[in-house]
Amino acid sequence: DVVLTQSPLSLPVTLGQPASISCRSSQSLLYSDGNTYLNWFQQRPGQSPRRLIYKASNRDSGVPDRFSGSGSGTDFTLRISRVEAEDVGVYYCMQGTHWPPFTFGPGTKVDIK
Amino acid sequence: EVQLVESGGGLVQPGGSLRLSCTTSGFTFSSSAMSWVRQAPGKGLEWVSTISDSGGSTYYADSVKGRFTISRDNSKKTLYLQMNSMRAEDTAIYYCAKGDGMNVWGQGTTVTVSS
Repeated sequence: DVVLTQSPLSLPVTLGQPASISCRSSQSLLYSDGNTYLNWFQQRPGQSPRRLIYKASNRDSGVPDRFSGSGSGTDFTLRISRVEAEDVGVYYCMQGTHWPPFTFGPGTKVDIK
Repeated sequence: EVQLVESGGGLVQPGGSLRLSCTTSGFTFSSSAMSWVRQAPGKGLEWVSTISDSGGSTYYADSVKGRFTISRDNSKKTLYLQMNSMRAEDTAIYYCAKGDGMNVWGQGTTVTVSS
């Protein structure tokens, strides 16, 4: 099974400042069709997860443009250009290239300093 | 607007059974694979099962294989998860999610396995 590791696991941030979360995979997530099936999810406190980014770098509809995803192969990054209070929560990466099983990273908790 | 609403959670004894439902609206259900994902208290997300759009293909996590059964009724736009031989470690919030890309999630239903 593909193992995803995230760093850091805890990320205190200052409002208005940028933030960055890394997700590394135990094997390449490039699929034979040329796509890379790496998604990012946000889970605010007490809420369901919400997908932010799909195929590594595509922002979902309604997601603020301060969120961006990048990376390829085994190394991926979620960036928040300027953190807002509503961005507090846990962020998960998930791979859909080598499934079953789908696998999630352990999550990165973002809170305000 | 795409909506997913889970139901059927509750308290069940170890070894017992429960059936979860996920009623959907706002999209062509019969054209979309569907998934179940769970989250144990204070823990991260764990994929449980996925079913193809027709229902002809099903996939399970090793932790639930042989005990859980995913199914769907396309005429009712509803997804199901039959859970048998339940264990304490099945205690979690269970979410249904649209597609194998999981682009939309329901609000979840809580399952507690305890005597």
